[in-house]
Amino acid sequence: GENVEQHPSTLSVQEGDSAVIKCTYSDSASNYFPWYKQELGKGPQLIIDIRSNVGEKKDQRIAVTLNKTAKHFSLHITETQPEDSAVYFCAAGFNQAGTALIFGKGTTLSVSS
Amino acid sequence: GAVVSQHPSRVICKSGTSVKIECRSLDFQATTMFWYRQFPKQSLMLMATSNEGSKATYEQGVEKDKFLINHASLTLSTLTVTSAHPEDSSFYICSAGTGGNTIYFGEGSWLTVV
Repeated sequence: GENVEQHPSTLSVQEGDSAVIKCTYSDSASNYFPWYKQELGKGPQLIIDIRSNVGEKKDQRIAVTLNKTAKHFSLHITETQPEDSAVYFCAAGFNQAGTALIFGKGTTLSVSS
Repeated sequence: GAVVSQHPSRVICKSGTSVKIECRSLDFQATTMFWYRQFPKQSLMLMATSNEGSKATYEQGVEKDKFLINHASLTLSTLTVTSAHPEDSSFYICSAGTGGNTIYFGEGSWLTVV
């Protein structure tokens, strides 16, 4: 089955700096890679996703890149703000309704002002 | 975006009793919903896949008789924790996928068994 590794487990940056979180996956057939932000005591919120036919996707300060050959994908947050502080999870799965996602172990991002 | 609602957000129950958690897709139909469990500072662990009109598919190690899942309609799945014990205390989260398999999560339910 699919296995997702996520690094780093914790990341501390100064406000305004960039943050990068990296994930690798094992199943080359996976074709859907979402990223979720989870605040304490709340459910994960989808912030951006990418499908395997795309190498990069950007939404304002957030971008995701995908390298299918190396089987890794990354989340990039630019101009970080204190409200970006949260736990971020990457996931891998199939672009097919009814299939579950497999999650990385999460990265706790702390943005200090 | 799509909304998934979960209820209750917090519940406390006595050991030995059962508790039901509901997961609703509010603006889309979900033939499949997923139930996850999350311990503090850990990732989401998939418990089971809930299929509308058929039996749920449980992940290895998850007791199907303890965690009863019912998916009676295209917008509602329920998780019932039967004969709850303190070790069942956890954060339970459901999710549902739209047609393109963009998956949205509910707000989660904190279960405390005393």
